[in-house]
Amino acid sequence: DAGVTQSPTHLIKTRGQHVTLRCSPISGHKSVSWYQQVLGQGPQFIFQYYEKEERGRGNFPDRFSARQFPNYSSELNVNALLLGDSALYLCASSQRQGTGQETQYFGPGTRLLVL
Amino acid sequence: AQSVSQHNHHVILSEAASLELGCNYSYGGTVNLFWYVQYPGQHLQLLLKYFSGDPLVKGIKGFEAEFIKSKFSFNLRKPSVQWSDTAEYFCAVWMDSSYKLIFGSGTRLLVRP
Repeated sequence: DAGVTQSPTHLIKTRGQHVTLRCSPISGHKSVSWYQQVLGQGPQFIFQYYEKEERGRGNFPDRFSARQFPNYSSELNVNALLLGDSALYLCASSQRQGTGQETQYFGPGTRLLVL
Repeated sequence: AQSVSQHNHHVILSEAASLELGCNYSYGGTVNLFWYVQYPGQHLQLLLKYFSGDPLVKGIKGFEAEFIKSKFSFNLRKPSVQWSDTAEYFCAVWMDSSYKLIFGSGTRLLVRP
């Protein structure tokens, strides 16, 4: 089975621009989460979507938004890009276990460079 | 605030040496704990996880971790490392109340042949 896929793999933007990142979860997974990983740090949680509804949001500005589609794929949008938005953006999918236990599986990420 | 601490940012070992990477968390609820590994040029992969039951959990590639509730710790161990274990290792705790993983800052392991 295919794992989590993300596109594009790399992206270069300039300050003030807008970017859209895409993610397809593992087949059968209904939940998608987004994380930002800055060089030298662990991933930081941005959003989680489950069955097309936002279920969790991290401490990121309103310039960050996301949505999930009926096929459970997801988009992360970032407006008015800043230099500090340069990072690896990770998508993770999960299928919530019956007891509330959840395991997230990560995609390869999209590396965004803002100039 | 909930957090995960990984005390060793960089570890250098020779092949066949034993490995122990520390992880401490601060979270008052029921904990689900994970270790992920990121090999050079590859994506984050699940190494092992703890949900409940036996506090000693075994993962892939000979790794294991022990959950010690009284110490809020979930240390990763391997009795004999290989050059191919060179990677960055992340400890994470799942927060069910806010549907997110909280990661530590990672430990870069270099294994010398």
